[in-house]
Amino acid sequence: GENVEQHPSTLSVQEGDSAVIKCTYSDSASNYFPWYKQELGKGPQLIIDIRSNVGEKKDQRIAVTLNKTAKHFSLHITETQPEDSAVYFCAASPFPGTASKLTFGTGTRLQVTL
Amino acid sequence: NAGVTQTPKFQVLKTGQSMTLQCAQDMNHEYMSWYRQDPGMGLRLIHYSVGAGITDQGEVPNGYNVSRSTTEDFPLRLLSAAPSQTSVYFCASRPGQTNTGELFFGEGSRLTVL
Repeated sequence: GENVEQHPSTLSVQEGDSAVIKCTYSDSASNYFPWYKQELGKGPQLIIDIRSNVGEKKDQRIAVTLNKTAKHFSLHITETQPEDSAVYFCAASPFPGTASKLTFGTGTRLQVTL
Repeated sequence: NAGVTQTPKFQVLKTGQSMTLQCAQDMNHEYMSWYRQDPGMGLRLIHYSVGAGITDQGEVPNGYNVSRSTTEDFPLRLLSAAPSQTSVYFCASRPGQTNTGELFFGEGSRLTVL
């Protein structure tokens, strides 16, 4: 089955700096890569996703890049703010519609300090 | 706008006791699922359902039962709780026919088994 590794497990940045979280996956059949943000005491919430036919996707201060050849994808957050502090999960699955095949990474706790 | 509602939020059990975690969604989603979240292990799929009357096992189903008698509800049963089932449990749902891939999570149920 799919195996998704996520690094780092914790990340501390100063407000205004950039943060990068990296994930690697093992199954070349994976084509859908979402990122979820989990705030304290809440459930995970989708913040951005990318499909294998796209190399990069941006949404305001958040961007995701995908390298299918190397089997890795990354989340980039620019101009970090205190409200970006949360746990971030990457995930991979063959298709967006196959939720039962979605494999999550182990999570990254991001702390944005003032 | 309730979304996915989980009850209880917190529960303490003794080894061998049984209990049911409740999950209800008001979005008419066909797909519902249960995950457990453990430190350093991300989110792991326990059971899922693609519609009323249909359930299937995920990655870590042992010790858990589910049923889906209505579209709205997807309870998770622990028949004989064990300390290894101490975890935070999340229910998630999504439309059956969709191209977006987004999972909608509840706020979680924290279970401690002594």
